[in-house]
Amino acid sequence: EAQVTQNPRYLITVTGKKLTVTCSQNMNHEYMSWYRQDPGLGLRQIYYSMNVEVTDKGDVPEGYKVSRKEKRNFPLILESPSPNQTSLYFCASTTLSSTDTQYFGPGTRLTVL
Amino acid sequence: DAKTTQPPSMDCAEGRAANLPCNHSTISGNEYVYWYRQIHSQGPQYIIHGLKNNETNEMASLIITEDRKSSTLILPHATLRDTAVYYCIVTGAGSYQLTFGKGTKLSVIP
Repeated sequence: EAQVTQNPRYLITVTGKKLTVTCSQNMNHEYMSWYRQDPGLGLRQIYYSMNVEVTDKGDVPEGYKVSRKEKRNFPLILESPSPNQTSLYFCASTTLSSTDTQYFGPGTRLTVL
Repeated sequence: DAKTTQPPSMDCAEGRAANLPCNHSTISGNEYVYWYRQIHSQGPQYIIHGLKNNETNEMASLIITEDRKSSTLILPHATLRDTAVYYCIVTGAGSYQLTFGKGTKLSVIP
């Protein structure tokens, strides 16, 4: 089954404790991205990757890092989480075909105390 | 700088057609209209997209006006499981970032 998986699905942590949210897709997609969703602000893109070893900032990259060492994986790293990073996070992937649809993961609900 | 305008909420009776409008008056010639939905707090789900012609798939129909300044997503027989926030997104070919607005919250009522 074609899918995007994220882990963990729920995480409660404390300020400053480094964490990684994993994202994996099994569709051989070149493009992967991370969004965060906050009440009243909708979904906003954090980072994206056009292919292995190619990453770039989205609209709200501050406080986040990403890496793309393998095509299927695109982890989101919070080196020193802060309470304003409490949010619902989604990973998405698609091919580089001009009109292909994007597939979203199930989401990771992060709370930073 | 919103590219699309949608009503914040709509109700639809179960079994009836749900017609969700979207205005995109500044759409350019090579931009597509995409519709996604988000059920509760799940990941957004693709529904349909089009450039200028009307489109239909197993989930919905998309009607785009001739001047391309507006479109309507039609769910032909809405069910309770169609209750969700529906997003109309305009994006160019080769642009992979999806800009989500506030969408329309559709409530399907028994």
